[in-house]
Amino acid sequence: AQTVTQSQPEMSVQEAETVTLSCTYDTSESNYYLFWYKQPPSRQMILVIRQEAYKQQNATENRFSVNFQKAAKSFSLKISDSQLGDTAMYFCASPLKGGNQFYFGTGTSLTVIP
Amino acid sequence: DSGVTQTPKHLITATGQRVTLRCSPRSGDLSVYWYQQSLDQGLQFLIHYYNGEERAKGNILERFSAQQFPDLHSELNLSSLELGDSALYFCASSVSRSTDTQYFGPGTRLTVL
Repeated sequence: AQTVTQSQPEMSVQEAETVTLSCTYDTSESNYYLFWYKQPPSRQMILVIRQEAYKQQNATENRFSVNFQKAAKSFSLKISDSQLGDTAMYFCASPLKGGNQFYFGTGTSLTVIP
Repeated sequence: DSGVTQTPKHLITATGQRVTLRCSPRSGDLSVYWYQQSLDQGLQFLIHYYNGEERAKGNILERFSAQQFPDLHSELNLSSLELGDSALYFCASSVSRSTDTQYFGPGTRLTVL
């Protein structure tokens, strides 16, 4: 089965601290892409970061970085120096099979505590 | 602003009715995707169109249909509405394939009374 799994329904972090959100996936493809999206209370879906599976280097976007472990099929999101505006639902996603369907995890609700 | 537009933002209707949701993709994007997000739920993929042709179907009910027009805008038609159809409906677009980054519109919030 082609799936994306997020095992942490809820997490919290103190402002300015670092937090890591987990995501695992299952695919038989050798080349694919992985994404993290953020959904704040406004419900807008916002791209956070994208990783290409054939690249060894982990993607980084300012305070957001990923830990991509291809053999383990793990794709975690690290948020450094957490800010109140980071409070949101975070979804891991991938087309996995490289086809025409996007698979989303069930999401992790992150709360940043002042 | 992602560049993807959706209208209307909110829609309130009664059971048994039919509604049409509209989506305009980002300039240059050929693919359009529709998703349903019920309250406190994840995103359920409904359907994917590429340059006017249907490419993939997900968990889309038979009461729902979609199409993509020559100008690449897309419409999602929901008929014989039920209370359970109340949800946030997102449209997303990408350059071509699903391996490309998908950019989401602001969503249409549908309430069925």
